[in-house]
Order: sequence, then structure tokens, then C-alpha cells
Amino acid sequence: EAGVTQSPTHLIKTRGQQATLRCSPISGHTSVYWYQQALGLGLQFLLWYDEGEERNRGNFPPRFSGRQFPNYSSELNVNALELEDSALYLCASSLVPSLGEQYFGPGTRLTVT
Amino acid sequence: GESVGLHLPTLSVQEGDNSIINCAYSNSASDYFIWYKQESGKGPQFIIDIRSNMDKRQGQRVTVLLNKTVKHLSLQIAATQPGDSAVYFCAEDGMDSSYKLIFGSGTRLLVRP
Repeated sequence: EAGVTQSPTHLIKTRGQQATLRCSPISGHTSVYWYQQALGLGLQFLLWYDEGEERNRGNFPPRFSGRQFPNYSSELNVNALELEDSALYLCASSLVPSLGEQYFGPGTRLTVT
Repeated sequence: GESVGLHLPTLSVQEGDNSIINCAYSNSASDYFIWYKQESGKGPQFIIDIRSNMDKRQGQRVTVLLNKTVKHLSLQIAATQPGDSAVYFCAEDGMDSSYKLIFGSGTRLLVRP
């Protein structure tokens, strides 16, 4: 069974641009979670989607947004990129809303120059 | 979210020795804790979890200890192997019914052959 996949692997943008990151959950999983892992820092919760709806968001500005599609894949959009947005963005999925059963993808490395 | 500095604490152990990785969590009301392992270029991988009504839980070669009095969590790895080299994170329940995990800063484990 395929795990969580994310694309692209790497993304380089300049300040002020917009970035779109994609996540495909494990087949059958309906919940998708996004985390930001900045260099030298732990993971910080960004967003949680379940059954197509945004259920919760972390302490991030509104220029971080996303959506979940009918096939449960998800997209994270970051508008007006700032240098400090450079980070590894991790997506996780779970069969049902869960803490311990979140399976993580390999991440997208976003670099803002 | 946490902001814990640029440098991960590092634990260096000899292959075959036991490893103990420590974590201080933030919320005394947290009910659920997880240890994750993150290898280079990969997303975090679930290792073991524990609920607040337990003090100890054992898995294969790993043991998690919970000390609620001092809000401390530890991960013990028996007979450490080169494949155990990774960054280890503890995570706690975000306590807002949103299935949000709050991650610690991480510890890098280096296993010397």
C-alpha cells in the first residue's frame, strides 16, 4: 500500500510569490494534517482537514490556506511568501481523525529567496 | 508553538548500548504522548505512544516512561543499532479536541559503530 505522497519534493520561490504544495493521503484516509518544520525547530501544526472541511488551524497568518478535494487529497497554499516561510512542509493522513495514527509523508522543502 | 533554538541536542552512543532520550512537555493536562523517529529526508515515523493513566509502556526494544509530576517523558532504546540514528521527537495532545499534535524540539541520536 502506498504511503502519503507529497509534491513537489523541492520548491524554490522568491519573496512575495505564491507557493502551492500538494498531498495525497493513504488510500481510504479522510483526514489530512499539515505541519511546518522550520530549520532547527520542531514541527508546528498548520491545518487539519477532514471530509473536505477545514477543522482547525494553528497559529499561522491567513496567507497560509488550503483545501481538501473530494478524493481527500489536499493542497496547501502560501501567499505573499516571506523568507521565514522557508521550511519543510509535512503532510500526514489518518483513516479517521486521530492523534496516534497520523502517517507522515516525506515533505516538501520550500525555499524562499 | 515551540521555539527552541537552532541547534538540536545530540546524544551519541556506542552501538549495542542503551539510549535514553528525554523530553519535557508543556501542558500538565495533556492526556496522550507519542514518540516519533525522523530519518534524514523522511517524514516522522510513529514509534510508541502512552496515555496519561500509565507510567510505562514497552514495545519492541523501546520503552516510554512518563513522569507527570515533573512533566517529563523519556524514550529508552535497548541495544541501540546504527539504524536507530535519527532525530527523535516527542509529541503531546494539543488538548483542544482538534487532533493537533504539539511537538517537542527533537534530539538527534548518533550511533557509533
